[in-house]
Amino acid sequence: EVQLVESGGGLVQPGGSLRLSCAASGFTFSSSWMHWVRQAPGKGMVWVSRIYGDGTTTNYGDSVKGRFTISRDNAKNTLYLQMNTLRAEDTAVYYCARENSTSRFYDYWGQGTLVTVSS
Amino acid sequence: DIQMTQSPSSLSASVGDRVTITCRASQSIGTYLNWYQQKPGKAPKLLIYAAFSLQSGVPSRFSAGGSGTDFTLTISSLQPEDFATYYCQQSYSTPRTFGQGTTLEIK
Repeated sequence: EVQLVESGGGLVQPGGSLRLSCAASGFTFSSSWMHWVRQAPGKGMVWVSRIYGDGTTTNYGDSVKGRFTISRDNAKNTLYLQMNTLRAEDTAVYYCARENSTSRFYDYWGQGTLVTVSS
Repeated sequence: DIQMTQSPSSLSASVGDRVTITCRASQSIGTYLNWYQQKPGKAPKLLIYAAFSLQSGVPSRFSAGGSGTDFTLTISSLQPEDFATYYCQQSYSTPRTFGQGTTLEIK
């Protein structure tokens, strides 16, 4: 059974940092593009970042570029999102998702972890 | 970035109704278009990939089509469990982008 389990969310002050984790199981993690997608309360889905299977290629959305860093540890089957200089507008549920490499769709999602940026 | 525009933003319908949601891309994306269903407090669930392919386990009352810039998702006979929010998403290029969502409500 495929599982993606996020952790690390919580309340942080503006300007602070947080690291999210996504533990994967049930599929070949090291061969998979992995993405982070976020959803602000009551809003739609917004793509955040992606990373290639071997970690050599990463991409970021404009709103997080220079502040967030995506990484992975294939030995631990774990995806990370280091979030620095957090802003109120980063408040959202953050989902990790596996992208099927053939047809480029998100076939597996985590349950999400809530990040709240507030003083 | 490719902009995805869904219509309508919300829709009221009854059990048994046939409904169609449309999604338009700001440039041609071929068939790199996916549809997801999201219920409150849950992660999105894949319904349709590559514009018209039904994901395994998804009921056949869901169908979709289109290519280029214009796409549709149709539910042939609404069931109580179909009342949710639906998103289209393009995977033609990065950044991946989503439509704003269509909320399907019970009339």
